[in-house]
Amino acid sequence: DAGVIQSPRHEVTEMGQEVTLRCKPISGHDYLFWYRQTMMRGLELLIYFNNNVPIDDSGMPEDRFSAKMPNASFSTLKIQPSEPRDSAVYFCASSLAWGGYTFGSGTRLTVV
Amino acid sequence: DQQVKQNSPSLSVQEGRISILNCDYTNSMFDYFLWYKKYPAEGPTFLISISSIKDKNEDGRFTVFLNKSAKHLSLHIVPSQPGDSAVYFCAASAPGNTGKLIFGQGTTLQVKP
Repeated sequence: DAGVIQSPRHEVTEMGQEVTLRCKPISGHDYLFWYRQTMMRGLELLIYFNNNVPIDDSGMPEDRFSAKMPNASFSTLKIQPSEPRDSAVYFCASSLAWGGYTFGSGTRLTVV
Repeated sequence: DQQVKQNSPSLSVQEGRISILNCDYTNSMFDYFLWYKKYPAEGPTFLISISSIKDKNEDGRFTVFLNKSAKHLSLHIVPSQPGDSAVYFCAASAPGNTGKLIFGQGTTLQVKP
């Protein structure tokens, strides 16, 4: 198994532009999580899905953030419009019904 | 509201000595705790875990201690090796078996040769 695959690895965009981050979870995992890593808050949970259904999006910072999981093998996190304070590393993770997470390598987002 | 806190942003230890990383939590309903290790440009990887019904779990050089009354856990690495230099995240399982983990801010460990 190739693990959790995230793309792109790096994204540099201008303020106001739309950004879409992508994630392919491990096949058979029924939980998918989006986290953001910042110095102040560490790994901050944004949203998670169970069997493709969003369960808890209370960590999504603003309406500018949205996430979808159209099928078991794909999820997106979209920021529209992006702002410089959104610059961070965004991680996707997947897991079985209960078990340790497997994280992707992350997407480093820079908004200038 | 930070429910899982790692108050030491960084720690530097000499090779061969013990590294102790600390973590505090506020929610007494947490029932499972984990430590993850993260190298630069990689995602965090699972290291060791402990159930709330135990107070110690050991795996090779890594031992996690849980003090429920103090709402405190610690990760001990003995002996420390330069390859252990990484960011260590403490995480707690949210009550209700939701599959959700709440992470701390992370502690950067540097092990000097």
